[in-house]
Amino acid sequence: DIQMTQSPSTLSASVGDRVTITCRASQSVNDWLAWYQQKPGKAPKLLIYQASNLESGVPSRFSGSGSGTEFTLTINRLQTDDFATYYCQQYNSFSTFGGGTKVEIK
Amino acid sequence: QVLLVQSGGEVRKPGASVKVSCKTSGFAFNIFGITWVRQAPGQGLEWLGWISTYNGNTKYAQKLQGRVTMTTDTSTNTAYMELRNLRSDDTAVYYCARGRGNYADYELGYWGQGSLVTVSS
Repeated sequence: DIQMTQSPSTLSASVGDRVTITCRASQSVNDWLAWYQQKPGKAPKLLIYQASNLESGVPSRFSGSGSGTEFTLTINRLQTDDFATYYCQQYNSFSTFGGGTKVEIK
Repeated sequence: QVLLVQSGGEVRKPGASVKVSCKTSGFAFNIFGITWVRQAPGQGLEWLGWISTYNGNTKYAQKLQGRVTMTTDTSTNTAYMELRNLRSDDTAVYYCARGRGNYADYELGYWGQGSLVTVSS
């Protein structure tokens, strides 16, 4: 199984900050990687697919990059609505989620 | 619009089975596969498996092999996930999800509301 490791597990930030979350795969997943946002009590929401493609309707302050084993999710000018938990997901071989990164208010 | 509506919460004893349903509407059911994901209380997301609604092919997470079965009923556009020999660590919210579009089964753009399964003696 491909293991996905996210860092940090928790991130404290302020409105307007630029934040970066990293996701590392135990072996190459090419660019078959997605990012999700989840708020308490809600289903996850797809933000980015195929490493860098913005899902329709997702604000452009979200961006993704990387390929192979290392990926990043960047949120520019953090908004109040962005405080949530973020997960990466590989789908190169079956599928696996990362452990999550909680973005909390500083 | 695309909707995935799941069955309600269930309580089971250890060793029992549970079957969660996911009724879909708003799209051609036999084109898009259905993925199942679970989330234990306070924990992250765990991919459980995927089923093709076209031919019933399945892919299951290795740790659940032998305990999980995913099926579909094309007459009612409903997907099912059955988990057997339940343990306390199977307590979780179970989600069904659909891909964002054609040839994008694993990019989960549409989700059900979740079904809480509680395993307790």
